[in-house]
Amino acid sequence: AQKITQTQPGMFVQEKEAVTLDCTYDTSDPSYGLFWYKQPSSGEMIFLIYQGSYDQQNATEGRYSLNFQKARKSANLVISASQLGDSAMYFCAMREVNTGFQKLVFGTGTRLLVSP
Amino acid sequence: DAGVIQSPRHEVTEMGQEVTLRCKPISGHNSLFWYRQTMMRGLELLIYFNNNVPIDDSGMPEDRFSAKMPNASFSTLKIQPSEPRDSAVYFCASSLGQGPQPQHFGDGTRLSIL
Repeated sequence: AQKITQTQPGMFVQEKEAVTLDCTYDTSDPSYGLFWYKQPSSGEMIFLIYQGSYDQQNATEGRYSLNFQKARKSANLVISASQLGDSAMYFCAMREVNTGFQKLVFGTGTRLLVSP
Repeated sequence: DAGVIQSPRHEVTEMGQEVTLRCKPISGHNSLFWYRQTMMRGLELLIYFNNNVPIDDSGMPEDRFSAKMPNASFSTLKIQPSEPRDSAVYFCASSLGQGPQPQHFGDGTRLSIL
């Protein structure tokens, strides 16, 4: 079974609009962390935002926020006021803390294209 | 502060040659990860080290792949002999501690085996 599922292979949004990138996860570990990374066309992986399974509030970092719905096992990334520079691949990832490993398991990614 | 530094950025070599990829983690980080990214398989964890000790190498595809971390500031991933199917982008990442710390990635090495 897929640990991380990103069902949107591609998304389009107009500049200055908000966009939501979907991520669902599967784990039986009560303690886990969810991460979003951005990979622009230049190839580097850029950490954006983190949500812990016990965090009471949704994480926010500037224009990025994470819509965390624990019961639904979803951790959607919301980008507000999209900019042309937001065009990139976006990866959702999970780390299961109590397994004793520090492995990040990645989803297949969503390609976001921001148009003028 | 310097991020994770990988070298080389690009490597093109012929099948059968030995390839060595290098990584310098962020100073103070005690966990180091090697990933491979391909179109077909996405991002895969190959191996990870904690305090210079290999913890999980279950993602290493074959005996042709080996990784070492002789000290806290340096790691290598070696492929010998290389094959065309090893062509991919190889990322090194590091993180601090055992808690929910993000992994910080290097810029990757784009490897092409002809």
